[in-house]
Amino acid sequence: DAGVTQSPTHLIKTRGQQVTLRCSPKSGHDTVSWYQQALGQGPQFIFQYYEEEERQRGNFPDRFSGHQFPNYSSELNVNALLLGDSALYLCASSSGTTNGADTQYFGPGTRLTVL
Amino acid sequence: AQSVTQLDSQVPVFEEAPVELRCNYSSSVSVYLFWYVQYPNQGLQLLLKYLSGSTLVESINGFEAEFNKSQTSFHLRKPSVHISDTAEYFCAVSESWGKLQFGAGTQVVVTP
Repeated sequence: DAGVTQSPTHLIKTRGQQVTLRCSPKSGHDTVSWYQQALGQGPQFIFQYYEEEERQRGNFPDRFSGHQFPNYSSELNVNALLLGDSALYLCASSSGTTNGADTQYFGPGTRLTVL
Repeated sequence: AQSVTQLDSQVPVFEEAPVELRCNYSSSVSVYLFWYVQYPNQGLQLLLKYLSGSTLVESINGFEAEFNKSQTSFHLRKPSVHISDTAEYFCAVSESWGKLQFGAGTQVVVTP
């Protein structure tokens, strides 16, 4: 059973460019959450998708957007990249309950470097 | 709003010695509590979680954590560490909807 997968593994972009990161959830999971982990810090919640809609959003600007497809996979898009967007982007999947008790399973992450 | 404080950024420990990682949280409502571990160049793996019931929770690899509501703490302990326990450990809370709020992490370095 494949766990959460993310692509690409690494990415280098320049300021002002746009980037798309991809995530496939663990089998049987229908909810995908995205987190940003800056160097030396804990992950910060970006947003969560369920039934192809954004269900919750953290404190991130509109430059960060996402999408969920009918097969539950998800994309994270970041426009107008800034140097401060350099980070490890983690995708996590879980079941669709809303009580917060479900375990979130994390992928290995995409390391984004903005030059 | 909820927040998580991990009181130690780095904890050096000798192999086979005990270790305790401290975590305090603040929240206006009941929360679920988690400890995740991150090995170098990997994603996060769940170590253990507290949902309700017994305040002491254990993981399969010898870690345990105790929920203390009055002190709003969820400290992680292991009585005897191995070299393979070298990793970064994150405490996290969730109020609802699966939005995890993480602490800044504690780097555990185990030396022989």
